[in-house]
Amino acid sequence: NAGVTQTPKFQVLKTGQSMTLQCAQDMNHNSMYWYRQDPGMGLRLIYYSASEGTTDKGEVPNGYNVSRLNKREFSLRLESAAPSQTSVYFCASRKRDTGELFFGEGSRLTVL
Amino acid sequence: EDQVTQSPEALRLQEGESSSLNCSYTVSGLRGLFWYRQDPGKGPEFLFTLYSAGEEKEKERLKATLTKKESFLHITAPKPEDSATYLCAVQAASGGSYIPTFGRGTSLIVHP
Repeated sequence: NAGVTQTPKFQVLKTGQSMTLQCAQDMNHNSMYWYRQDPGMGLRLIYYSASEGTTDKGEVPNGYNVSRLNKREFSLRLESAAPSQTSVYFCASRKRDTGELFFGEGSRLTVL
Repeated sequence: EDQVTQSPEALRLQEGESSSLNCSYTVSGLRGLFWYRQDPGKGPEFLFTLYSAGEEKEKERLKATLTKKESFLHITAPKPEDSATYLCAVQAASGGSYIPTFGRGTSLIVHP
């Protein structure tokens, strides 16, 4: 009964380093999303995947790449981290019939 | 472009003091308006979905209503455990995909 699982929960990077945030859901949902949340800015969509094998840009995609590895997993990659990418990242999956989003616990990233 | 504006940004209430949070929106092709609750350090949790003007949903001390331009989340006789950030989101259909757009949230603190 895990729902949406994100790893890691916390990460500190130096400018220029790369890393991948992992997300997996066990609810058989087709659509998955990556958001970032910054103080006073709300949740902003980075990328989404409507179904396995497809990905599309959201509001703030620059500096990120994604991979929909299979129906369960949707990863977010920072190729060359910048201080502006310091944020809390949330992965979510969407229940098709109601539109309800299920969120992970978040990944807190600091880029020095 | 879809827009969601929540007000007020922050609200402090005494226990038992009823109030309302506002979510005004512009979207073409509304496919649902959602309310979520977010506790500090956690991912958002689903509260309600509203689909058409005039619709109302209730859960414990919370009641959500919807018009063609805005939604209200009414909190009746709040308790300290209702303290959280409340997020509003609208979902539009775009080329077969569903893109949820979030407001910046209202931070609610209920004092005992």
